[in-house]
Amino acid sequence: DAGVIQSPRHEVTEMGQEVTLRCKPISGHNSLFWYRQTMMRGLELLIYFNNNVPIDDSGMPEDRFSAKMPNASFSTLKIQPSEPRDSAVYFCASTPGRRTDTQYFGPGTRLTVL
Amino acid sequence: SQQGEEDPQALSIQEGENATMNCSYKTSINNLQWYRQNSGRGLVHLILIRSNEREKHSGRLRVTLDTSKKSSSLLITASRAADTASYFCATKFQGAQKLVFGQGTRLTINP
Repeated sequence: DAGVIQSPRHEVTEMGQEVTLRCKPISGHNSLFWYRQTMMRGLELLIYFNNNVPIDDSGMPEDRFSAKMPNASFSTLKIQPSEPRDSAVYFCASTPGRRTDTQYFGPGTRLTVL
Repeated sequence: SQQGEEDPQALSIQEGENATMNCSYKTSINNLQWYRQNSGRGLVHLILIRSNEREKHSGRLRVTLDTSKKSSSLLITASRAADTASYFCATKFQGAQKLVFGQGTRLTINP
């Protein structure tokens, strides 16, 4: 099994640009989570999906952030426009189903906004 | 905040010694999990303990849970250099699906 796949692994962009982060969960997993990790705030849950449906987006910091899951094998997190304070490592994680709580994390995308 | 709090924030020990990390939380939980994060990597699940369990073992890992004190501990015995990483507790609160992660303990094993 390839595990959770995220792309790109590193992204450097300038303030005001649109950024799209991508995630492919483990095949057969029904839930997908997007996290942001910074030294100051630790690991924060941004949004999660069950069966491709957004369940809780209360962690999305602003309207500049949006997430989609068009099918069971793909999700995107978009930031438009990006700001320097968005610089962080963004993780995607998936779980097999609602009765299984163990989360499987991807390697993360390190985003730097200049 | 419902967030779990780890203690200590950083721990440095000699190889072969035991390492103990603690986690406290504030509300009733369904289960508590421990994850490891190596530098520059994603988190890796180590062990899950349910609210009706008091102790669980997995290899060199021992986890305890005291729901009356709302606390858990992770013990790593006979530490190795490869155990150097950050360790996070994550709590799943009753009625919720999402996990809430603590700030982590940074463990350094000195050769």
